Amino acid sequence: GAGVSQSPSNKVTEKGKDVELRCDPISGHTALYWYRQSLGQGLEFLIYFQGNSAPDKSGLPSDRFSAERTGGSVSTLTIQRTQQEDSAVYLCASSLERGSQETQYFGPGTRLLVL
Amino acid sequence: AQSVTQPDIHITVSEGASLELRCNYSYGATPYLFWYVQSPGQGLQLLLKYFSGDTLVQGIKGFEAEFKRSQSSFNLRKPSVHWSDAAEYFCAIFNAGNNRKLIWGLGTSLAVNP
Repeated sequence: GAGVSQSPSNKVTEKGKDVELRCDPISGHTALYWYRQSLGQGLEFLIYFQGNSAPDKSGLPSDRFSAERTGGSVSTLTIQRTQQEDSAVYLCASSLERGSQETQYFGPGTRLLVL
Repeated sequence: AQSVTQPDIHITVSEGASLELRCNYSYGATPYLFWYVQSPGQGLQLLLKYFSGDTLVQGIKGFEAEFKRSQSSFNLRKPSVHWSDAAEYFCAIFNAGNNRKLIWGLGTSLAVNP
C-alpha cells in the first residue's frame, strides 16, 4: 500500500552538472505527472505520462529538461547543465485515469539546489 | 484561460476559531476542483475534491468545501482550527482533455496562534 515515492529527497549540485530525479508511482496507476514548485512561481506543470507516452511536454521549461517512463511505472526527470534557476522542489504525482474525474496523489518531492 | 485564484496569501487565526480559505476559478467547462495541504518540508496531501453532485463536500481532518458555480468559487472551511492545521493550502482545478494537468492557485499560508 505504498504511496508515491521519489528519490533522492534532497540533491545539491553544481551549476552545469546533470541531475536525475526518480519517481515511483502507486502500483497500477496509469498516469504520472511532474510538477515544479519554486519560490515566487508556485506550482507549475512540467510533463504528463499516459503509460509510457508523454502526449504533453509543453510544460518543460527548456530543452535541458527531459523525462521518460518505462514499463508504465518508474519515471525519471533529467535536467542537463543545471542552472541556478532550476533550484526548486520537484513533485511527482500519479493517478488512475478515469476520464475527467481523476485524483492525483503526490510524492514527498525532491528538493534540488543548484549552487 | 483557465486559472485559479487564492486571494489571501497569508492568514492567521487563533486556535479554536473558524476558518475559511477562498478559492476562485476560471474554467470553460465543468470544473473538477481540489484542495491540497502541504506541511513544511512535506509533499501535497489531498484534503478533498469536487467532481459532481452535492456541492458541499467533506474531507479529511474536519475540512469541508462548498462549490458555488454562480460565484466560481470553491472555498475551504473548518469550524474549529487546531494548531496542527498550520500549513500551506492549495486550491487546484483539473484541466482534462489533451493537456491533462492540475492548474494551481498560489496558495494560502495558514498560521495558528495558541
